[in-house]
Amino acid sequence: AQSVTQPDIHITVSEGASLELRCNYSYGATPYLFWYVQSPGQGLQLLLKYFSGDTLVQGIKGFEAEFKRSQSSFNLRKPSVHWSDAAEYFCAVGARGGGNKLTFGTGTQLKVEL
Amino acid sequence: EAGVVQSPRYKIIEKKQPVAFWCNPISGHNTLYWYRQNLGQGPELLIRYENEEAVDDSQLPKDRFSAERLKGVDSTLKIQPAELGDSAVYLCASSYRGWPGSNTEAFFGQGTRLTVV
Repeated sequence: AQSVTQPDIHITVSEGASLELRCNYSYGATPYLFWYVQSPGQGLQLLLKYFSGDTLVQGIKGFEAEFKRSQSSFNLRKPSVHWSDAAEYFCAVGARGGGNKLTFGTGTQLKVEL
Repeated sequence: EAGVVQSPRYKIIEKKQPVAFWCNPISGHNTLYWYRQNLGQGPELLIRYENEEAVDDSQLPKDRFSAERLKGVDSTLKIQPAELGDSAVYLCASSYRGWPGSNTEAFFGQGTRLTVV
């Protein structure tokens, strides 16, 4: 069975500082990997996805993530955080051929200090 | 292009009462999902449809939950009777599944926040 671990429940960074959110997954083969962001009272918005190919993927809002097979990780990064990035971030893994059934981590709440 | 539309946005009901949620997916998306998100947790899949067929409902509590997707477009999720523990956000998502093994990413609606009192 697939699973996702997001070890940081809360992270606080200063505006303009760099950000890295950690994500580790468990899956028997090469998975589909996603990062979603959720603002209060809103649904999930896709930031970026990895299906295959280049292991460094670019997303919206200046985010990027790197798939590292050897570490079973898919960490999300942003070089300079904006106050509007404050939200909850979810990493998810999808099974290939499994109809894109997503298994989500428990999320990381990001707070941005001005 | 309109995204995934869910209604209502909020619902408060007393325990033991029935409740229903509605979802209209993105036009052309043949795969539809219902997820439940408990407070402080990530979403968990309840049921997945490909067209009008429920292909994965292993996590749906079938004693009180039911879902349908007539005509393979919009869908309803029902709880009868509701329990206090059903309080959560219910998210609908859709994606396009083409050839076997392929998929686009899932797009989510804003969800319905259910409070059972």
